[in-house]
Amino acid sequence: RKEVEQDPGPFNVPEGATVAFNCTYSNSASQSFFWYRQDCRKEPKLLMSVYSSGNEDGRFTAQLNRASQYISLLIRDSKLSDSATYLCVVLGGGADGLTFGKGTHLIIQP
Amino acid sequence: GAVVSQHPSRVICKSGTSVKIECRSLDFQATTMFWYRQFPKKSLMLMATSNEGSKATYEQGVEKDKFLINHASLTLSTLTVTSAHPEDSSFYICSARDGLGASGELFFGEGSRLTVL
Repeated sequence: RKEVEQDPGPFNVPEGATVAFNCTYSNSASQSFFWYRQDCRKEPKLLMSVYSSGNEDGRFTAQLNRASQYISLLIRDSKLSDSATYLCVVLGGGADGLTFGKGTHLIIQP
Repeated sequence: GAVVSQHPSRVICKSGTSVKIECRSLDFQATTMFWYRQFPKKSLMLMATSNEGSKATYEQGVEKDKFLINHASLTLSTLTVTSAHPEDSSFYICSARDGLGASGELFFGEGSRLTVL
């Protein structure tokens, strides 16, 4: 079983809609989780950290479910500029301290 | 915030030549930097950990003689792809952590797209 799994998509969503995707992780001892955003041919950039109590930043909401070992990202009122690949990242498992998912490709359509 | 700069952003070379990619931390010192490779529609794969003043630590399956890493100062690490072949064509990204320990945020360079003809 892969350490961090995501549905690669693509998710095609009309502008203004709400979209959510999950990421599962295999290491139950994992403590910290992040969502990164990566635009095509660009480097990943931290979107938000995921806290146990969940956290919200504007239109973005991240949730952690430790019992089922998954994290989620919800995007409300999606914008065209939200089109990107969203990487689920878990602290631990590598020399750099991070294990990356393959990413979920999101396409917001006008 | 912290900035990591990578150069060149894009390089095209002939098979058999060597290519050097630079990674700089612009406003902080990084004793450790990381090098990744990313193939299309694939996840970032950690290649090696670059340690200032000492040898790099390579991940399993990564040829250290093929991918030479030098971390001569606290703000610069270089990755040299030696005798590049078409299968080495990929997106190479570096990162550095601003702060001690694994909890500091990881900042990524802009990436270098290598195309080997």
